[in-house]
Amino acid sequence: NAGVTQTPKFRVLKTGQSMTLLCAQDMNHEYMYWYRQDPGMGLRLIHYSVGEGTTAKGEVPDGYNVSRLKKQNFLLGLESAAPSQTSVYFCASSNSGLYHTDTQYFGPGTRLTVL
Amino acid sequence: AQSVAQPEDQVNVAEGNPLTVKCTYSVSGNPYLFWYVQYPNRGLQFLLKYITGDNLVKGSYGFEAEFNKSQTSFHLKKPSALVSDSALYFCAVRAYNTDKLIFGTGTRLQVFP
Repeated sequence: NAGVTQTPKFRVLKTGQSMTLLCAQDMNHEYMYWYRQDPGMGLRLIHYSVGEGTTAKGEVPDGYNVSRLKKQNFLLGLESAAPSQTSVYFCASSNSGLYHTDTQYFGPGTRLTVL
Repeated sequence: AQSVAQPEDQVNVAEGNPLTVKCTYSVSGNPYLFWYVQYPNRGLQFLLKYITGDNLVKGSYGFEAEFNKSQTSFHLKKPSALVSDSALYFCAVRAYNTDKLIFGTGTRLQVFP
């Protein structure tokens, strides 16, 4: 049981390049989330999914796209990377829970630098 | 709108002393409150949560938190700090029947030998 895994762990991009971050979970969780972590700003929600085939916008969705084609995977795409997207990206997952009380479990993070 | 405040960027405490990391929140309706810890170069790890019931919640690694509805606070505490507790601590809140968790900006705990 690996929990939540993220690929890659590190990446350096040039401005304008594109890339996809992969998140996978083996806990059969319904909900998955993508956050970015920046110094002094805590974690901010980019996009999330409440089930296979669904996606929704979070606090800071601009410049990112997501897809949830399979229940266990949640992909985060950057179509045209900008230096402002330099950050550490975390994926998380949780069960739906009737009253949304369930704990979110986090992956180890992806450190992205955009030059 | 939901919000979480962690008023201290850093808390310093000597090993063996009690520690408190503060968190206040603003949310409509009953809150669901969480504490997470982040060690260097790692993802967030769940410590404890308050959903309902007893205001004192016990969690991992000897940590506990007290829910105070009148003060809208959920402070994290530990009776005796360890050097290994040094990490970044995040408070988070979710309002009833919403999908999203809102995180505070984090408090760095430094425990000195």
